[in-house]
Amino acid sequence: KNQVEQSPQSLIILEGKNCTLQCNYTVSPFSNLRWYKQDTGRGPVSLTIMTFSENTKSNGRYTATLDADTKQSSLHITASQLSDSASYICVVSAYSGGGADGLTFGKGTHLIIQP
Amino acid sequence: KAGVTQTPRYLIKTRGQQVTLSCSPISGHRSVSWYQQTPGQGLQFLFEYFSETQRNKGNFPGRFSGRQFSNSRSEMNVSTLELGDSALYLCASSLWDPADTGELFFGEGSRLTVL
Repeated sequence: KNQVEQSPQSLIILEGKNCTLQCNYTVSPFSNLRWYKQDTGRGPVSLTIMTFSENTKSNGRYTATLDADTKQSSLHITASQLSDSASYICVVSAYSGGGADGLTFGKGTHLIIQP
Repeated sequence: KAGVTQTPRYLIKTRGQQVTLSCSPISGHRSVSWYQQTPGQGLQFLFEYFSETQRNKGNFPGRFSGRQFSNSRSEMNVSTLELGDSALYLCASSLWDPADTGELFFGEGSRLTVL
C-alpha cells in the first residue's frame, strides 16, 4: 500500500532559526514529490516539485531534498519568519501528467514560529 | 492569470440538509479534483473530473457526488448532511498533460460547518 509519512507531526521553533521537516514514502511507481505550504484556513500552495532525477530544489528560503534510493525527502527552512507558521504537506505522485488517483498525501507537519 | 475560485468560502448547515459547492479552475485546466480536509486526517481524495467525466473516486459514501460542466467548472454536492461532514473542502485544478508534472493548484476552500 502506498504511504507517505511525515515527521514531526508538529514543531515549534523561534523566529530566525532553521528547521528541517521529513517525508518518507513507500510509493511505487514514482514520478515526482511535492511539498505544499498551507496557511490555516487556506488552500495549499506549491513550494517545490522534484522528479526522480532531481535531488535538491530551492524556492527562496525553502530547500527540498530528495533521495530516491532511500525514498526520503526533507524540507529545510532557513532563517524562519513568523509567516512560515503553517502546515507543510508532502505529496508523492506515481504518474506524470496528472491524475489525482496517483497521489498519496502525507498528513502534514504543523510548524509554529514563535517571536 | 486568475487562480482557482471556490464558492462559498464559509457555510453553515444543519443535519439532514444538502449543500452544493462550486469550483472554477484556472483557465485552460481541464482536470478538477476535490478533497476533504479534517483536523488530524489530512487531505482525503473525493473525486476527480476531466472533460466532464468522473475519472476517479475516493472512498466516500454515495452522499458525496459531483459533476463538471463543459467550461470545466465543477460542483460537488453532499446530501443528508451529517455532523462528521464538517470540514474544509478543497478543489484543485491541473493541466492534465503527460508532459507536465501534474502540479495541483488549489482553491482557498469552502469551510462547511454542520450543526
